[in-house]
Amino acid sequence: SAVISQKPSRDICQRGTSLTIQCQVDSQVTMMFWYRQQPGQSLTLIATANQGSEATYESGFVIDKFPISRPNLTFSTLTVSNMSPEDSSIYLCSAGRQGATQETQYFGPGTRLLVL
Amino acid sequence: QKEVEQNSGPLSVPEGAIASLNCTYSDRGSQSFFWYRQYSGKSPELIMFIYSNGDKEDGRFTAQLNKASQYVSLLIRDSQPSDSATYLCAVKRSSASKIIFGSGTRLSIRP
Repeated sequence: SAVISQKPSRDICQRGTSLTIQCQVDSQVTMMFWYRQQPGQSLTLIATANQGSEATYESGFVIDKFPISRPNLTFSTLTVSNMSPEDSSIYLCSAGRQGATQETQYFGPGTRLLVL
Repeated sequence: QKEVEQNSGPLSVPEGAIASLNCTYSDRGSQSFFWYRQYSGKSPELIMFIYSNGDKEDGRFTAQLNKASQYVSLLIRDSQPSDSATYLCAVKRSSASKIIFGSGTRLSIRP
């Protein structure tokens, strides 16, 4: 299984500021994703991070608000821009390999964000 | 209709019994099926994946898939208090790269 780390693990931010979350995977993966999880809720996919090109965003999420980079196979960043209290959530990086017989997706520990 | 549906629970099961978690999905093109366990305050942990109709066993866990009925389940034998968590069902089409998650079932194992 892939080991995924995220930085920071938590942060408290003021509204109007931006926060960049980093995700590092210990081995090469084909897919990387960013999710958001509100307390007591399930996972909501923000976007698929594509290596060397623009991320693919889900409905309701836009690049200006959540710019994403993936410069190589093992690293990605998510920026939460111009934050408001509604952005308070847990942000999860996920990565996985896709092969003929094995298709798995793992999660990082998450970044707990509180916006005041 | 949600793409992946689960009973939110809570499902309460006595210690040592079998816990049965169920999930239905709407897309007949779904090819891969996953069960994740999420403890409170932690990130989801992959515990089982299944692609073919039938049963797949791993220790105390058994995943069951019935594509005709669009139904996937997770059985946990000899339930332990440490199994108390939220269990997320997830499905994926072979032609797409993203996984669709259900809302999760909260399982409580009572001593």
